[in-house]
Amino acid sequence: EFVLTQSPATLSVSPGETAVLSCRASQSVSSYLVWYQQRPGQAPRLLIYDASHRATGIPARFSGSGSGTDFTLTISSLEPEDSAVYYCQQRNSWPPTFGGGTKVELK
Amino acid sequence: QVQLVQSGAEVKKPGASVTVSCKTSGYILTKNAMHWVRQAPGQSLEYMGWINAGKDITKYSQKFQGRVTITRDTSASVVFMELSSLRPEDSAVYYCARDGGLGSFLLDFWGQGTLVTVSS
Repeated sequence: EFVLTQSPATLSVSPGETAVLSCRASQSVSSYLVWYQQRPGQAPRLLIYDASHRATGIPARFSGSGSGTDFTLTISSLEPEDSAVYYCQQRNSWPPTFGGGTKVELK
Repeated sequence: QVQLVQSGAEVKKPGASVTVSCKTSGYILTKNAMHWVRQAPGQSLEYMGWINAGKDITKYSQKFQGRVTITRDTSASVVFMELSSLRPEDSAVYYCARDGGLGSFLLDFWGQGTLVTVSS
């Protein structure tokens, strides 16, 4: 089973600044890495698929990069509604697995 | 628009079974797979299994094999997840999530979640 390790666990950023989140896989997942956003009390929402493709309706300030084992989610010009937990998920191998999440807090 | 509406919260005793439903609308059920993911309080997401709603084929994560059953009712556009032999550590929010296709494992729409509490 593929293990995904996300860092940092918590990120405190000021509005308007940039947040950089990391997801590292125990083995190569090629580009089959997905990012979700989960706001408090809500279900997860698809943000980025296949490492760098924004899902429908996702603002351009969300961007993803990486391949193989190392991936990054960058959120630029942070807004208050970006306060959430962000999860990565690999869809390269069975079973799909999720990372432990990174909580983004706005100062 | 695609919507997944899940059944309400449940409280169960250890050893019992629970069935959570996921009513779909805005698309044809058999054109996409459906997955189930759970989240214990304060924890990450845990994958349980999926159904190819077109072919009625299921596959379950090893951890839940033998305890989970996913079915669908195409006439009602509903997917069900039954978890048996419940234990307190099964207390969690259970989500259905639509696959972007028929096995892409890209979860593009999620239900609102169903809280299941297991307590004596």
